Amino acid sequence: GAVVSQHPSWVICKSGTSVKIECRSLDFQATTMFWYRQFPKQSLMLMATSNEGSKATYEQGVEKDKFLINHASLTLSTLTVTSAHPEDSSFYICSVSGRRYEQYFGPGTRLTVT
Amino acid sequence: GENVEQHPSTLSVQEGDSAVIKCTYSDSASNYFPWYKQELGKGPQLIIDIRSNVGEKKDQRIAVTLNKTAKHFSLHITETQPEDSAVYFCAASTDSGGSNYKLTFGKGTLLTVNP
Repeated sequence: GAVVSQHPSWVICKSGTSVKIECRSLDFQATTMFWYRQFPKQSLMLMATSNEGSKATYEQGVEKDKFLINHASLTLSTLTVTSAHPEDSSFYICSVSGRRYEQYFGPGTRLTVT
Repeated sequence: GENVEQHPSTLSVQEGDSAVIKCTYSDSASNYFPWYKQELGKGPQLIIDIRSNVGEKKDQRIAVTLNKTAKHFSLHITETQPEDSAVYFCAASTDSGGSNYKLTFGKGTLLTVNP
């Protein structure tokens, strides 16, 4: 499967600031990347789907102006949490998909907003 | 949209025993069913998957079965080991249009293998 990295693995920020999370596909050209959010002891919730070179498609209930996604190349997608608040604290995970079915996940980024 | 139910939510077995986790899905159009293992603080790892044109798939100690008529699929782990302890998620893939296939996840099963 694909090898996916995320950076940073853990970040603490103050309320009202913005945080950028990077997702890289290290050995695979990912035409599609997905961003998920996972709260403690809960399942993964899809936030958005991004295709290289086009705008992301957000799931219902996800604020596109708050969670900015940029998929500028076949190996890099970024998620920016703007004006973060404590309720945005969560585990953010990206996945890559090059073929029609399989998704391979990154190690996740733990965001804590104080 | 798709809805995936997963049972049980927790499962405790003795080392060497078998473990079975079951999932049901609602959308008959779903045609891809992966299973993921997630260890604490890490991202999910794809351990096995099955497509709707196959009824069973096995990979060493892990097997998955699919019943399309009943819309359920199961994960079977034999000869469990302590390192199998983790949260396991089932998922179903629904064609969301174009070339994107979204995964809908079950709520997860915390498997504990006692030595």
